[in-house]
Amino acid sequence: SQTIHQWPATLVQPVGSPLSLECTVEGTSNPNLYWYRQAAGRGLQLLFYSVGIGQISSEVPQNLSASRPQDRQFILSSKKLLLSDSGFYLCAWSPLTYYNEQFFGPGTRLTVL
Amino acid sequence: KNEVEQSPQNLTAQEGEFITINCSYSVGISALHWLQQHPGGGIVSLFMLSSGKKKHGRLIATINIQEKHSSLHITASHPRDSAVYICAVGRGGGADGLTFGKGTHLIIQP
Repeated sequence: SQTIHQWPATLVQPVGSPLSLECTVEGTSNPNLYWYRQAAGRGLQLLFYSVGIGQISSEVPQNLSASRPQDRQFILSSKKLLLSDSGFYLCAWSPLTYYNEQFFGPGTRLTVL
Repeated sequence: KNEVEQSPQNLTAQEGEFITINCSYSVGISALHWLQQHPGGGIVSLFMLSSGKKKHGRLIATINIQEKHSSLHITASHPRDSAVYICAVGRGGGADGLTFGKGTHLIIQP
């Protein structure tokens, strides 16, 4: 069966510090991968998606970047965190050709102070 | 105007009540999702539907494609149903993710 992992589960970082959140998927090949963010008081918003290794599409201009160094690994990064980067970050995957079916990771709660 | 609108934003009810949460969307979709988010933040997918009606236990989801509207019903509600319920749509144009409503915060009191 397929499993999606995210770490860390919670993170408190100072403004201006770097960020690296990791997501890995097990039990499937060639998944589509997604990063979503839920800011306080707002709905989930798509940040990045990837249909293959090295292929990243960005939905919202921001202080963040994403990379997909391996088929089942998706990384969200920032060089310098802003207060507005605080939120709940969710990784998700969907089957290669049935992208409407999405499976969500446990999430990372990031607080920038 | 958001592409996906949910109502109500907050709902408090007594145990045993019949609950209805509504979702309206303004774009063409290939599928609509109902998700449940508990206080810890984790999200569970309840339903994915593109037409008609689905039922799982005490949960029922319906969608009317012509009216661009979906409802999530909970029968015989229980305090453990307390959570945020989120409607999300997939546009179907490609693997470009879901568009989410802001969620309905449901509290079921014993």
